[in-house]
Amino acid sequence: DVKVTQSSRYLVKRTGEKVFLECVQDMDHENMFWYRQDPGLGLRLIYFSYDVKMKEKGDIPEGYSVSREKKERFSLILESASTNQTSMYLCASSLQVWSVEQYFGPGTRLTVT
Amino acid sequence: GENVEQHPSTLSVQEGDSAVIKCTYSDSASNYFPWYKQELGKGPQLIIDIRSNVGEKKDQRIAVTLNKTAKHFSLHITETQPEDSAVYFCAASTQGGSEKLVFGKGMKLTVNP
Repeated sequence: DVKVTQSSRYLVKRTGEKVFLECVQDMDHENMFWYRQDPGLGLRLIYFSYDVKMKEKGDIPEGYSVSREKKERFSLILESASTNQTSMYLCASSLQVWSVEQYFGPGTRLTVT
Repeated sequence: GENVEQHPSTLSVQEGDSAVIKCTYSDSASNYFPWYKQELGKGPQLIIDIRSNVGEKKDQRIAVTLNKTAKHFSLHITETQPEDSAVYFCAASTQGGSEKLVFGKGMKLTVNP
């Protein structure tokens, strides 16, 4: 079974802090994704990566950056957390970029106070 | 860009009834349509998908239909059970150019015993 793990289930940070969300997948997938999930808005793509050290912006990249130094690990970085970044963050991976199943992690609920 | 609309946003049914979730998409180039189920406290999980060269696909109690002309696709769940209670997301993906998987806003299904 594909397993996507996220470093924290719950995280509370203060405004202005630098926040790292880590995601690891164990299926040697080329592609990894970061989504944000908010009530009434569904899932929105923040960034994705189709190879090590490669990244592409999604629909809502502002205020976020990513890092993919190793194939199995994809990090989401909030350079200076703000209250409007309070959300559920979901990481996913897939064998191909699109048109195939994406495997999701359990999510990290981030609260910025 | 692609826009995916999902209706209704909530649905409550009695155990044993059928449930139908409808989605429309805007980009006629979309050719992959997955459905994800998200249970409480978990990440979304693919339950069924359909490609644009197929009009219908079934897997036990669930089926998906696609109408390319009208640009809508639907998820049908028959003989619903309490464990079907979850949030369901539809999505659409294009190929070529700016590939992207765009999700609907989700529908919360409650199956009452």
